[in-house]
Amino acid sequence: NAGVMQNPRHLVRRRGQEARLRCSPMKGHSHVYWYRQLPEEGLKFMVYLQKENIIDESGMPKERFSAEFPKEGPSILRIQQVVRGDSAAYFCASSPKSNTEAFFGQGTRLTVV
Amino acid sequence: DAKTTQPPSMDCAEGRAANLPCNHSTISGNEYVYWYRQIHSQGPQYIIHGLKNNETNEMASLIITEDRKSSTLILPHATLRDTAVYYCIVIRGGSARQLTFGSGTQLTVLP
Repeated sequence: NAGVMQNPRHLVRRRGQEARLRCSPMKGHSHVYWYRQLPEEGLKFMVYLQKENIIDESGMPKERFSAEFPKEGPSILRIQQVVRGDSAAYFCASSPKSNTEAFFGQGTRLTVV
Repeated sequence: DAKTTQPPSMDCAEGRAANLPCNHSTISGNEYVYWYRQIHSQGPQYIIHGLKNNETNEMASLIITEDRKSSTLILPHATLRDTAVYYCIVIRGGSARQLTFGSGTQLTVLP
């Protein structure tokens, strides 16, 4: 019973490039959450998705960031035209229902150079 | 969601019980108490949660006071691998969305 899988674990991008972060939820989980942890800071909620729907994106920056969770395949967090301030650890979590505990992946560490 | 207060750091001897306190004096009736931990640079790990009754699982016990204004997470026999930042989070309706990770308690288990 695999846990939440995120890939890649480490991603290096030059300023202006695009970053795509993938998250495969646990089997049977249809709710996905993305969090960001900036260096030396706590985790901050970004977006909550349920299959094919964005339920809450109140924590997403207004520009350059987008997320999707298609009917088939992993959830994708996409960051266009990355800047140095996007360097952070991005964590994905999943749950079987909206009102149950969430389980986190090991994160993707994005470094923008 | 109610605000929580935790001590910034605690030490515990290996093999002894670690008792991590959390104050949530403004908690309301439908808010659950959740505990997560983050071992250095890893993803947060769910530990336990409860509404008003004490709870126990294979990892820990959660003791919630009768007035629900505070709780204690107990790791019965701490090991070096339990060194982590522990987060106490109060969530309305038990929903896992919008978990708010504050500063937490840095627990250091000493050999």
